[in-house]
Amino acid sequence: NAGVTQTPKFQVLKTGQSMTLQCAQDMNHEYMSWYRQDPGMGLRLIHYSVGAGITDQGEVPNGYNVSRSTTEDFPLRLLSAAPSQTSVYFCASSYSDSSYEQYFGPGTRLTVT
Amino acid sequence: AQSVTQPDIHITVSEGASLELRCNYSYGATPYLFWYVQSPGQGLQLLLKYFSGDTLVQGIKGFEAEFKRSQSSFNLRKPSVHWSDAAEYFCAGTGANNLFFGTGTRLTVIP
Repeated sequence: NAGVTQTPKFQVLKTGQSMTLQCAQDMNHEYMSWYRQDPGMGLRLIHYSVGAGITDQGEVPNGYNVSRSTTEDFPLRLLSAAPSQTSVYFCASSYSDSSYEQYFGPGTRLTVT
Repeated sequence: AQSVTQPDIHITVSEGASLELRCNYSYGATPYLFWYVQSPGQGLQLLLKYFSGDTLVQGIKGFEAEFKRSQSSFNLRKPSVHWSDAAEYFCAGTGANNLFFGTGTRLTVIP
């Protein structure tokens, strides 16, 4: 099992550009989520999904879109990047919901200039 | 509002010394609580979790945590720290359908 994979590992964007952060898991987990990690702020939930076709907003959803067309994939889209979105992004998955152990990907470090 | 608080931003301990990292929670009911560890440049790994029952929970890598309802705390402990324990530690609790993280405690281990 590869677990949770994320691509790319690093990305630099200019303000206003768009991009998609990829996340995939091979554990047949129903629950998937995206967090951003900023110094001194811990991890904050952006969006989550409890199954294919179902997504919902977390604590900091503005500027991000998600979709869940398959159980395995949960991409995060930045529609128009802003410097405030400079962060490290983590994707995570768990068996059923957030009460179960979450498995984290290695992260994507995004810089917006 | 549901939240977890880690009052210590940075802790330094000597190798072989004992360790206690603090976590306080604010929830209406008994939450599910977790401790995660993040090594530099890595994702997070689960150390242990508390759902119900025995308030002393054993985890991986020799860590344990004790749930104390009267103090709204879920502190992480290790009797003897190893240099490889240097990392950032996050306490987390479940919300309705998500996980709330504390701001983290960075552990430095000195020889």
